[in-house]
Amino acid sequence: GNSVTQMEGPVTLSEEAFLTINCTYTATGYPSLFWYVQYPGEGLQLLLKATKADDKGSNKGFEATYRKETTSFHLEKGSVQVSDSAVYFCALGNQGGKLIFGQGTELSVKP
Amino acid sequence: DAGVTQSPTHLIKTRGQQVTLRCSPKSGHDTVSWYQQALGQGPQFIFQYYEEEERQRGNFPDRFSGHQFPNYSSELNVNALLLGDSALYLCASSLDAGGEDTQYFGPGTRLTVL
Repeated sequence: GNSVTQMEGPVTLSEEAFLTINCTYTATGYPSLFWYVQYPGEGLQLLLKATKADDKGSNKGFEATYRKETTSFHLEKGSVQVSDSAVYFCALGNQGGKLIFGQGTELSVKP
Repeated sequence: DAGVTQSPTHLIKTRGQQVTLRCSPKSGHDTVSWYQQALGQGPQFIFQYYEEEERQRGNFPDRFSGHQFPNYSSELNVNALLLGDSALYLCASSLDAGGEDTQYFGPGTRLTVL
């Protein structure tokens, strides 16, 4: 069945460091891929998405490229800020259907 | 433009009781999905409602049931509560038409079962 695997956290970085959070998936068909972010005590916010192979999603300095050949959708940001501290979830979804989430990766950015 | 709203914010129940959680979708959305997020885990899909019918269901027992109203709002009901039902319950809405598959989440309802 479909599944998502994320790198384990917590990830601790200094401000302005480069961020990579790895995400790989197993899926039949051609799912859409998403990154959601969850700040403490809150629900999930959509960060970015990609709907087909080689698409790049981007938002607020974050980027991820849908790589079908490596079944990956790694999240990157060139320079993190303290305000980026949160839990990041990679997810896959088929058209109109349920989302399947990874276990989440906690990011902590220190000043 | 109001986003997804959920009520109540927090809820405390005892084992064996029943609970109803409510969700109003984002304006213009017609599909509502419910997820359970245990502490430290990713959300798990419970079910999805479209046109007042349950369209998809995840691996949850029949104690979990739902409803969608003509205005697209939705309820999640859980009967015979267990300690393990303690979690954050998230509602997400989306627009079915045109194949749009992005789901937008509400802030969640934190359920504690004692």
